[in-house]
Amino acid sequence: QQQVKQSPQSLIVQKGGISIINCAYENTAFDYFPWYQQFPGKGPALLIAIRPDVSEKKEGRFTISFNKSAKQFSLHIMDSQPGDSATYFCAASGKSSSNTGKLIFGQGTTLQVKP
Amino acid sequence: SAVISQKPSRDICQRGTSLTIQCQVDSQVTMMFWYRQQPGQSLTLIATANQGSEATYESGFVIDKFPISRPNLTFSTLTVSNMSPEDSSIYLCSVGGTYTDTQYFGPGTRLTVL
Repeated sequence: QQQVKQSPQSLIVQKGGISIINCAYENTAFDYFPWYQQFPGKGPALLIAIRPDVSEKKEGRFTISFNKSAKQFSLHIMDSQPGDSATYFCAASGKSSSNTGKLIFGQGTTLQVKP
Repeated sequence: SAVISQKPSRDICQRGTSLTIQCQVDSQVTMMFWYRQQPGQSLTLIATANQGSEATYESGFVIDKFPISRPNLTFSTLTVSNMSPEDSSIYLCSVGGTYTDTQYFGPGTRLTVL
């Protein structure tokens, strides 16, 4: 119940295209869903996050779509650029007494944007 | 967002030795977390370190192997004890607040055990 499943494992997109990464979760106590971007040799950087009370959140070229009934959420990167090439992690956390604040991470997606 | 630094940034250690990793934050934070990221893998939570209480360890991680200190609201250490090559990973600290779910990560410590 604590797992977050992420797909695909790797993704190759042409410059200007749309990158889509999907995540699914089981634990209905999760109420916070962030996406992190990690470049080689760096720590993960928070990209965008969403709560279940909204179905979509957009920040610049990055959009999270959230489907509460399906327990799925996805990251869309519009107009993908070579500089977006990185590893992306979805995560989830909840406020239950057993996991307050701690993040459960997906397996990660390595994105390569070709020029 | 919080600015987080970690020391050392990387180290190469011999089997059987111990390494202490430091995490320093530029502001007072309630919650600090330690994660492990094995080569090419995702992040796994080791423990939650709250100031004034014992660290809470996740399944598969024990205090004897990964002792943690949290002496104040801006600093924490993680020790990797009696190291083996399987401990070769990136160790990351993160910070979050009581009233916010947002977590910010440090740059990580890349550990290689020979």
